[in-house]
Amino acid sequence: AQSVTQPDIHITVSEGASLELRCNYSYGATPYLFWYVQSPGQGLQLLLKYFSGDTLVQGIKGFEAEFKRSQSSFNLRKPSVHWSDAAEYFCAVGASNTGKLIFGQGTTLQVKP
Amino acid sequence: GAVVSQHPSRVICKSGTSVKIECRSLDFQATTMFWYRQFPKQSLMLMATSNEGSKATYEQGVEKDKFLINHASLTLSTLTVTSAHPEDSSFYICSASFRGMGAFFGQGTRLTVV
Repeated sequence: AQSVTQPDIHITVSEGASLELRCNYSYGATPYLFWYVQSPGQGLQLLLKYFSGDTLVQGIKGFEAEFKRSQSSFNLRKPSVHWSDAAEYFCAVGASNTGKLIFGQGTTLQVKP
Repeated sequence: GAVVSQHPSRVICKSGTSVKIECRSLDFQATTMFWYRQFPKQSLMLMATSNEGSKATYEQGVEKDKFLINHASLTLSTLTVTSAHPEDSSFYICSASFRGMGAFFGQGTRLTVV
């Protein structure tokens, strides 16, 4: 079955600390992988995406993610978190870049001053 | 960049009435639009996929007669929740895609049925 798992429902980090949000997927074909961020009551903003090539992808707002096929993972990282990064983060997988996506459960990021 | 506008952002309706939500691609022609539903503190669940000029494809478990989707043009798709009930209260988000360039999401619509 196709699925995306984000093991951490809620994460709290101190401002300036590093961040890693985990994402594991189960997908029959070569996956297209995405990370989105959602502020309360808002739509989704694309942080980054991976289709092929370099397994370390850079995104907006200083985020990066690494695709590890052997681990079926696509973890999101940021070296230094800012208070404005507090939001809900979703990992998603699709068969292509057409927009039909399967989302993980989401991880709520809280940033302490 | 590609902009998708969703309207209204919030709507409150009485139980038994119908409500229409619009999703517009403002600066591109969307070959495909998707409608998702998000319950509080939960993930997004795909409801249906619509292609311009053809009938929408609904995901398993989604009532097509309750959630009417129309994709009459390459820039507009509408979701109509018919005979709404309190359990239909949710956050509805659309996304639009073109030429396989990925999905661009609207701001979402908070529907409350009272």
